[in-house]
Amino acid sequence: NAGVTQTPKFQVLKTGQSMTLQCAQDMNHNSMYWYRQDPGMGLRLIYYSASEGTTDKGEVPNGYNVSRLNKREFSLRLESAAPSQTSVYFCASSEGGDRNTGELFFGEGSRLTVL
Amino acid sequence: AQSVSQHNHHVILSEAASLELGCNYSYGGTVNLFWYVQYPGQHLQLLLKYFSGDPLVKGIKGFEAEFIKSKFSFNLRKPSVQWSDTAEYFCAVNQIIFGKGTRLHILP
Repeated sequence: NAGVTQTPKFQVLKTGQSMTLQCAQDMNHNSMYWYRQDPGMGLRLIYYSASEGTTDKGEVPNGYNVSRLNKREFSLRLESAAPSQTSVYFCASSEGGDRNTGELFFGEGSRLTVL
Repeated sequence: AQSVSQHNHHVILSEAASLELGCNYSYGGTVNLFWYVQYPGQHLQLLLKYFSGDPLVKGIKGFEAEFIKSKFSFNLRKPSVQWSDTAEYFCAVNQIIFGKGTRLHILP
């Protein structure tokens, strides 16, 4: 039972390069989320998708774009990476269509370094 | 402003000591409250949650938390910690606001 799968697990970019973090869940969940985790800052919500076909900004959306490709997949794109985007990124999913309820199931994280 | 405050950033305890981690929130609406744990090298997982009903909720591994509405608090407790409880603990409101985390280090 894979749960939430993120790729890649590690990535090093140069400033200005672009990349996409992929996330897929096999639990038939409606809602999916992208967070970033920085030391001493906890988790901060970047974007979320309450249901297939919808996306909304979270607390720190600047510099990112997302695509809810289908019910299973939710990708996060950095169009022009900056050193401030060096972080660990977590994808998560939850069962309900309402993002305010339900347990979050997390992926293993993607560690991104921008030089 | 919506926020979650975890008062202790780093806690060091000896095995068998009692634990209480503080969590206070500010949120204008219905709250669902969560504690997540991140063991070293692992991803976050749910420890316990409160949606409604009994304000004292029990989670995995002997953890419990009490929701006190009048104090806007949801403190995490464990009567006797183990070395394996070494981890980082996050309090969250409604899946969208996380606290900054508390690193718990248990001395064997």
